[in-house]
Amino acid sequence: GDSVTQMEGPVTLSEEAFLTINCTYTATGYPSLFWYVQYPGEGLQLLLKATKADDKGSNKGFEATYRKETTSFHLEKGSVQVSDSAVYFCALSDGPGSGGSYIPTFGRGTSLIVHP
Amino acid sequence: DSGVTQTPKHLITATGQRVTLRCSPRSGDLSVYWYQQSLDQGLQFLIQYYNGEERAKGNILERFSAQQFPDLHSELNLSSLELGDSALYFCASSVPDGLNTEAFFGQGTRLTVV
Repeated sequence: GDSVTQMEGPVTLSEEAFLTINCTYTATGYPSLFWYVQYPGEGLQLLLKATKADDKGSNKGFEATYRKETTSFHLEKGSVQVSDSAVYFCALSDGPGSGGSYIPTFGRGTSLIVHP
Repeated sequence: DSGVTQTPKHLITATGQRVTLRCSPRSGDLSVYWYQQSLDQGLQFLIQYYNGEERAKGNILERFSAQQFPDLHSELNLSSLELGDSALYFCASSVPDGLNTEAFFGQGTRLTVV
């Protein structure tokens, strides 16, 4: 079945440091790829997405490129801020599965801690 | 605010009990997903409903069940609770589901079984 593997955290950085969170996936079809972010005490919210190979998703200074040849979708940001401290989830949507469904499959999440 | 509402936010109950978690999706969203988030298992898909019908099942235990009502709100019923059921339960909704569709998440219900 489909799966998403992302680097274990926590990732601890100083403010203005460069961020990379690795994500690789396994899918039977040609999935869409997503990064979600979960701030403390809140639900997940979409950060960015890419729907085909070589697409780059970007939002709030974060970027990720859909690499089909390496089945990867690594998240990057050039200069992190304290306010970026959160848990980041890589996800894919593949299908349709049985019943015509598209079920988002999530990685286990990577906690990012940014110090001033 | 995602527009998805989950109640209650916190729930503490004893082993062997039964609880009901409620989710109101975003206005107009027909698809509702339930996920369980725990420290050791990450975010696990439980079940999906679409316009009142069950559409897909994931790693949902037989002690758990769900339904979606005509007004599209959904309930997740957890029975014969065990300590290991303690987790954060999320509901998400989308317009319908699709390859590129974003899922909108509620803030979750934190269930503690003692």
